[in-house]
Amino acid sequence: ETGVTQSPTHLIKTRGQQVTLRCSSQSGHNTVSWYQQALGQGPQFIFQYYREEENGRGNFPPRFSGLQFPNYSSELNVNALELDDSALYLCASSLVGLAVQETQYFGPGTRLLVL
Amino acid sequence: KNQVEQSPQSLIILEGKNCTLQCNYTVSPFSNLRWYKQDTGRGPVSLTIMTFSENTKSNGRYTATLDADTKQSSLHITASQLSDSASYICVVSQKGNYQLIWGAGTKLIIKP
Repeated sequence: ETGVTQSPTHLIKTRGQQVTLRCSSQSGHNTVSWYQQALGQGPQFIFQYYREEENGRGNFPPRFSGLQFPNYSSELNVNALELDDSALYLCASSLVGLAVQETQYFGPGTRLLVL
Repeated sequence: KNQVEQSPQSLIILEGKNCTLQCNYTVSPFSNLRWYKQDTGRGPVSLTIMTFSENTKSNGRYTATLDADTKQSSLHITASQLSDSASYICVVSQKGNYQLIWGAGTKLIIKP
């Protein structure tokens, strides 16, 4: 186990709804990254938070937003859900930022199904 | 365009046999290359991380190689076990960038 937890484990929503996914990072880690992984594909980077501020963003629309809290836990919010948002959402924590040879520790993921 | 391509897409081998997975990338400038193991429905787990100057790195029965000149990497699994059944993903980090560029993975199935 990596010490990174995510909730909920599974979620079913309908198109147009909003969803909030949560992540608790490993103790001592101050950076959280979120990924979307469609079935049979590699993870796609959504964004990264470092010390409560967005530190980088992938090619995702603004309806994907996030927060990082003082205890370094994080939320991913998705508004106006679309069918294509159905995926495994992964949270990864690391220390300081994405430096050379720094390892990201992944949580078990949240499986989101949009109907 | 920065890309990471893996082959084969899937592989089935018998328990106890060896196998090699391939990764080709076009990411530049290069910072480091990582191999992850991902069990179905679980988060990825890091196996190895290699920088430009490292040609090989081992983690138990897993050995990764890197040729930065040809932009190729391989992951060799020795004496496979049933628990090795998983997806193996190659990830390349671009120097100065916060992003990791992920391959689609190779799905490995070990049969008894």
